[in-house]
Amino acid sequence: ETGVTQTPRHLVMGMTNKKSLKCEQHLGHNAMYWYKQSAKKPLELMFVYSLEERVENNSVPSRFSPECPNSSHLFLHLHTLQPEDSALYLCASSQDPSGSQETQYFGPGTRLLVL
Amino acid sequence: GQNIDQPTEMTATEGAIVQINCTYQTSGFNGLFWYQQHAGEAPTFLSYNVLDGLEEKGRFSSFLSRSKGYSYLLLKELQMKDSASYLCAVRDSNYQLIWGAGTKLIIKP
Repeated sequence: ETGVTQTPRHLVMGMTNKKSLKCEQHLGHNAMYWYKQSAKKPLELMFVYSLEERVENNSVPSRFSPECPNSSHLFLHLHTLQPEDSALYLCASSQDPSGSQETQYFGPGTRLLVL
Repeated sequence: GQNIDQPTEMTATEGAIVQINCTYQTSGFNGLFWYQQHAGEAPTFLSYNVLDGLEEKGRFSSFLSRSKGYSYLLLKELQMKDSASYLCAVRDSNYQLIWGAGTKLIIKP
């Protein structure tokens, strides 16, 4: 596998379910990101991890819980979500989050539907 | 507040040229990025501008004017596979990426 992979690609869950999204990067990068992408809206940065430490948490509700066990893996744990949380969840990685020319590489995303 | 503006949707003809504009108001500036995103796929990096002027890369070029808070992405010799959304993003003084909502480009034969 190369680049950034995400599983599952599609997920349907009820508001009382607990699920997890997984992201893996095969680029040797030090930083990983979770974004939310809703239709016709800008990408919303949710969390940033650098060297496995969380460096950014943009006022995300506690029903979203990230986990970064090592620099190659990132999880997003979901519980008691709301229908408005339905969106495309994108994972990205980069070499260094503070580098001005840093390019982020994205995974294909998980399409989440909350019923 | 910080804001990135780009048109919601544009239509162009195969073989033609199209220019997608992006204007921004951000707290500081540390570079501007363009990404391409096909439906259901990951955004992929197209270009990066940090100095004023035009950067050319094959059929795609990107222009930046920092004094005007303005950039454009120019696509030449359009192909059907260029149908996608094009995302503009600016890195602010905190090195955080501020994203536009994207421009959906429709190419017609």
